[in-house]
Amino acid sequence: GAGVSQSPSNKVTEKGKDVELRCDPISGHTALYWYRQSLGQGLEFLIYFQGNSAPDKSGLPSDRFSAERTGGSVSTLTIQRTQQEDSAVYLCASSFGAAGETQYFGPGTRLLVL
Amino acid sequence: KQEVTQIPAALSVPEGENLVLNCSFTDSAIYNLQWFRQDPGKGLTSLLLIQSSQREQTSGRLNASLDKSSGRSTLYIAASQPGDSATYLCAVTPAVNYKLSFGAGTTVTVRA
Repeated sequence: GAGVSQSPSNKVTEKGKDVELRCDPISGHTALYWYRQSLGQGLEFLIYFQGNSAPDKSGLPSDRFSAERTGGSVSTLTIQRTQQEDSAVYLCASSFGAAGETQYFGPGTRLLVL
Repeated sequence: KQEVTQIPAALSVPEGENLVLNCSFTDSAIYNLQWFRQDPGKGLTSLLLIQSSQREQTSGRLNASLDKSSGRSTLYIAASQPGDSATYLCAVTPAVNYKLSFGAGTTVTVRA
């Protein structure tokens, strides 16, 4: 069956521009997560959506980062006024339920800010 | 704050040798622990998930143990193959929420 998909797979942008990253979770999964993987930082949690509940945005590094999830399915992570330190791999994951369920990861979007 | 450490950072072994990857975490109040595999330029693939009440999980050549009280987990890969070359990450789910805390990973190279 289809796994988690993300687009684009690679994105190169200039400092100061806005970018949008998309995630399509596995059908039927109610929970969706965004993580960032940076060199020297490892994997860090960004944001979590569960059903119709308010998202947990506690991992977002600054107010330039925002995310939404439409119709309980597709999610978009937006980074405004990108900075060079935003360069990283952005990974999306989904799970059938919430705490403790196996999270299934997408292939990631590699973002390079010049 | 939960700190997850993986030792060694890199490992190179000849084909056929058994692999032992270590993961330690500072807060023993965990819900579960997962081991993931990441191939270069790819996302993460879940290998094993151990609930906090379990001591080990097995899948094929993979066996993962969990000692929650001492904050340790070990992933064993028997009879390694070149296809096992990848980065292996462990991650813990805290008992109070769902946010995975990841280790930095162990990069494994299996030489043919």
